[in-house]
Amino acid sequence: DAGVIQSPRHEVTEMGQEVTLRCKPISGHNSLFWYRQTMMRGLELLIYFNNNVPIDDSGMPEDRFSAKMPNASFSTLKIQPSEPRDSAVYFCASSWGNNEQFFGPGTRLTVL
Amino acid sequence: QKEVEQNSGPLSVPEGAIASLNCTYSDRVSQSFFWYRQYSGKSPELIMSIYSNGDKEDGRFTAQLNKASQYVSLLIRDSQPSDSATYLCAFQTSYDKVIFGPGTSLSVIP
Repeated sequence: DAGVIQSPRHEVTEMGQEVTLRCKPISGHNSLFWYRQTMMRGLELLIYFNNNVPIDDSGMPEDRFSAKMPNASFSTLKIQPSEPRDSAVYFCASSWGNNEQFFGPGTRLTVL
Repeated sequence: QKEVEQNSGPLSVPEGAIASLNCTYSDRVSQSFFWYRQYSGKSPELIMSIYSNGDKEDGRFTAQLNKASQYVSLLIRDSQPSDSATYLCAFQTSYDKVIFGPGTSLSVIP
């Protein structure tokens, strides 16, 4: 199994631009999580899906952030418009039910 | 009170010593607790999970859980330089939501 796949691995953009992060969970997993990690705030859960349905999006910082999971094998996290304070590492993770979460390699986002 | 608190780091121990990492959590109904390890520039990986009070041992790692005190710890015996990483404590709330602590940085000195 290739594990959780994220793209791009690095993204540098300018303030105001739209950013789309992508995630392919491990085949067979039914839960998907988006996290953001910064030195100041640590690892924060943004949103998670169960069976492609968003269960809890209370961690999404504001309306500029949106996430979708159109099918069991793909999810996106979009930031529009992006701001410098969005600079962070964004992780996607997947699991089967309450079992171990497997993390992807992350996307390092820099907003100039 | 923060949902998960960990002992402040960085923590430095000599090679071969025991490293002790501590964590307290606020959710009294939590049933599942985890320790993740994160190397610099890498993603977190699960090293231990514990669900009932007491100790759970896996090789050089021992997790200890005390639900009454809302406390979970991780002991690393015979610490190796390869154990140098940030250790994240986490607990599971409802559904599949997992809350992570801020992490403790561990440095094992050869």
